[in-house]
Amino acid sequence: AQTVTQSQPEMSVQEAETVTLSCTYDTSESNYYLFWYKQPPSRQMILVIRQEAYKQQNATENRFSVNFQKAAKSFSLKISDSQLGDTAMYFCALANDYKLSFGAGTTVTVRA
Amino acid sequence: DTEVTQTPKHLVMGMTNKKSLKCEQHMGHRAMYWYKQKAKKPPELMFVYSYEKLSINESVPSRFSPECPNSSLLNLHLHALQPEDSALYLCASSRLGASKNIQYFGAGTRLSVL
Repeated sequence: AQTVTQSQPEMSVQEAETVTLSCTYDTSESNYYLFWYKQPPSRQMILVIRQEAYKQQNATENRFSVNFQKAAKSFSLKISDSQLGDTAMYFCALANDYKLSFGAGTTVTVRA
Repeated sequence: DTEVTQTPKHLVMGMTNKKSLKCEQHMGHRAMYWYKQKAKKPPELMFVYSYEKLSINESVPSRFSPECPNSSLLNLHLHALQPEDSALYLCASSRLGASKNIQYFGAGTRLSVL
């Protein structure tokens, strides 16, 4: 069985500042993939970033970056230069073949 | 094009009605998924199709009946639903098999059962 834990139900950040979302996971697999998905109030789940467990280099996509600590089973997401459009619920997810195991989600609100 | 299209966007139905949700993708993906999502909760996997065959059913009640008529289409037939089935229903698609494959989601159908 695999589990994903997001311990921050809600976070608030001022526009242009940085916010970090935490995620821890547990899996018995040696190779796996981790994802951060964003779900704005418009409902569509959008992939933010993907990390391959065998790669030590942390993934980066524009203003989004991760801090992947494999030994600690930690996968945090940093949003830099926050924008109003970043307001959404963010889900951390762990993939095992077809199945995505999601964390409970963190609601991020960006204040103007 | 990474688009998964779901129709309708909203659906209200009575407990005795029969309705269907539709999902379409043209990315050549051979895996398609149905998820159920309650407000402020993560999506819960319901069904997985691979090569148009049902490969995973997460013990979903029989009042939900999935169908995959071809590689681009996925339907979810609804019959005799209960008010607790009210939720956002998400469809997703991906390439087959490996954990590395990204699932692309549609915008969902908001279902209300009266």
